[in-house]
Amino acid sequence: QSALTQPPSASGSLGQSVTISCTGTSSDVGTSKYVSWFQQHPGKAPKVMIYEVSQRPSGVPDRFSGSRSGNTASLTVSGLQAEDEADYYCSSYAGSKYVFGSGTKVTVV
Amino acid sequence: EVQVVESGGGLVQPGGSLRLSCAASGFAFSAYWMHWVRQAPGKGLEWVSRIHPDGRMTEYADSVKGRSTISRDNAKKTLYLQLNNLRAEDTAVYYCARDFDYEGARWGQGTLVTVSS
Repeated sequence: QSALTQPPSASGSLGQSVTISCTGTSSDVGTSKYVSWFQQHPGKAPKVMIYEVSQRPSGVPDRFSGSRSGNTASLTVSGLQAEDEADYYCSSYAGSKYVFGSGTKVTVV
Repeated sequence: EVQVVESGGGLVQPGGSLRLSCAASGFAFSAYWMHWVRQAPGKGLEWVSRIHPDGRMTEYADSVKGRSTISRDNAKKTLYLQLNNLRAEDTAVYYCARDFDYEGARWGQGTLVTVSS
């Protein structure tokens, strides 16, 4: 199972928005209910930011939103803050296994 | 407090074996799917395996299938991952997680497995 495709990097200024894409296939991202997004700071465990394509866990700021169009899922971070600088990964259930995206490093400039 | 704590990592020679453990506390362990996810140094996340709450259903990534066994002891609230015939590419931090991709997910801090001669 190949990794889902994400851009290696993305950046935005404080207060601006950034959108990260996650491209898979009709066997995973395109049809799975279980598409999630994770935030990981250096040396820390990943944290779920979005689950089931667009659901936000309690405690996650509403600046984070998820969506899907065809075989591509997207994570948008609005009103960028310094603490949003981190690595972001998508994942999808692909029938008997899960697959992660390659990861995107978000820089707040 | 809901917590999962991994242990059992270390240095092992190629072809060797290792058993990782994950001790759970603060929640009804027997009610949750449990997962192992790994991350090679400086690399991305890779899902490894999961096990049903009752232990009867397991799933594996192609990269470890046939070389790994996930299991659980609900009475001891402990998750295990047996890794056999280890290769250099198995070197990674191994995370234990409850419902790793869902509301209420709980990840441990990971245990490092290094495969080297």
